[in-house]
Amino acid sequence: DTGVSQDPRHKITKRGQNVTFRCDPISEHNRLYWYRQTLGQGPEFLTYFQNEAQLEKSRLLSDRFSAERPKGSFSTLEIQRTEQGDSAMYLCASSLEQGAPHQPQHFGDGTRLSIL
Amino acid sequence: AQSVTQPDIHITVSEGASLELRCNYSYGATPYLFWYVQSPGQGLQLLLKYFSGDTLVQGIKGFEAEFKRSQSSFNLRKPSVHWSDAAEYFCAQNPNYAGNNRKLIWGLGTSLAVNP
Repeated sequence: DTGVSQDPRHKITKRGQNVTFRCDPISEHNRLYWYRQTLGQGPEFLTYFQNEAQLEKSRLLSDRFSAERPKGSFSTLEIQRTEQGDSAMYLCASSLEQGAPHQPQHFGDGTRLSIL
Repeated sequence: AQSVTQPDIHITVSEGASLELRCNYSYGATPYLFWYVQSPGQGLQLLLKYFSGDTLVQGIKGFEAEFKRSQSSFNLRKPSVHWSDAAEYFCAQNPNYAGNNRKLIWGLGTSLAVNP
């Protein structure tokens, strides 16, 4: 079990640029979640995949945000035309479908995005 | 609306002292409850979980939590705190209702400081 891996750990970019983050979940996990976390707050749900299907997107996720999980393994989160308010920690988590809701979500170390 | 409440935003304890972090949940059917810890700049690490059975659950790093249905609480405890326990602690619930897609409801977190 190598855990959930996120890349990059930090991203600094100018306002208006596009950024893409990658998440590699635990290999046997078929559920994958993206969260956003700002300082002093808990994680905020963005979107969720079961295998390659994106089953839910938060209303907080504007059309500048897009996520994919093309082969049901790794996932990418892209933010287009970044804004100051996008500065946050972006967290990825994965879990097993089998075993009902007591299966915990396992988190990566996150990608810290800073918009200049 | 479902919610998870962590009444204490910040707690300071002395090293070696006992610790209790409070958590109250609001969705009562069958609570699936989790405690996570987050060190600065890191992702969230699962400490322990509860979904049925013994109401006192043991976790990693010497933590335990007690589920009390009558009080809708799931408080986290540790008998003797170490300086390395200084971190942010989050309580979360999976309300497990149809269509929720296992999204967790998060408390706002409790920041723990440990005095030497």
